[in-house]
Amino acid sequence: AIQMTQSPSSLSASVGDRVIITCRASQGIRNDLGWYQQKPGKAPKVLIYAATYLYGGVPSRFSGSGSGTDFTLTISSLQPEDFATYYCVQDHNYPWTFGQGTKVEIK
Amino acid sequence: QVQLVESGGGVVQPGGSLRLSCAASGFTFSSYGMHWVRQFPGTGLECVAFIGFDGSKKYYTEAVEGRFTISRDNSKNTVSLQMNSLRHDDTALYYCAKERSGWYLDDWGQGTLVTVSS
Repeated sequence: AIQMTQSPSSLSASVGDRVIITCRASQGIRNDLGWYQQKPGKAPKVLIYAATYLYGGVPSRFSGSGSGTDFTLTISSLQPEDFATYYCVQDHNYPWTFGQGTKVEIK
Repeated sequence: QVQLVESGGGVVQPGGSLRLSCAASGFTFSSYGMHWVRQFPGTGLECVAFIGFDGSKKYYTEAVEGRFTISRDNSKNTVSLQMNSLRHDDTALYYCAKERSGWYLDDWGQGTLVTVSS
């Protein structure tokens, strides 16, 4: 199975900060990667798919980049509603596999 | 709108069985692959099983291979997960999720909690 390694596992940031989360795949997955946001008590929501495509309705401060094995999620200016846990997931092979998550907390 | 409603969770002893169901509505169920995704207490997510739109393709994470079986009934708009030989480390919130054509999981249920405990 393809292993996904996210970093950092948590971070503290302030409103307005630029936040970057990275995800590395154990083998090349082309651009078959998505990013999801999860808030406490809620199911995850898709933000980015195919590494760089913004899902409908997601604010443009979110962006994704990368291909092959290394990917990043960038939040250009952190907003109060962005404090949550973020997961990458590979959809190159079934079953899909998630990274361990990055919790974004208020500084 | 799309609705996915899971049921069947509960408390079961190690070695026991449970059958989870997910009732779908608001979309053409027979056109979409479906996943079961679990979330361990306080921690991360794991895709447990996938079934293709017509049930011909099934995949499982290694940890449940041979113990869990995914199935679907397109006439009833339901997807199920039969879980046998349950272990403590199967304790989790189980979500069903709709796959958008190999791209992403765009709709999720609210989850059903499975607790394996003696």
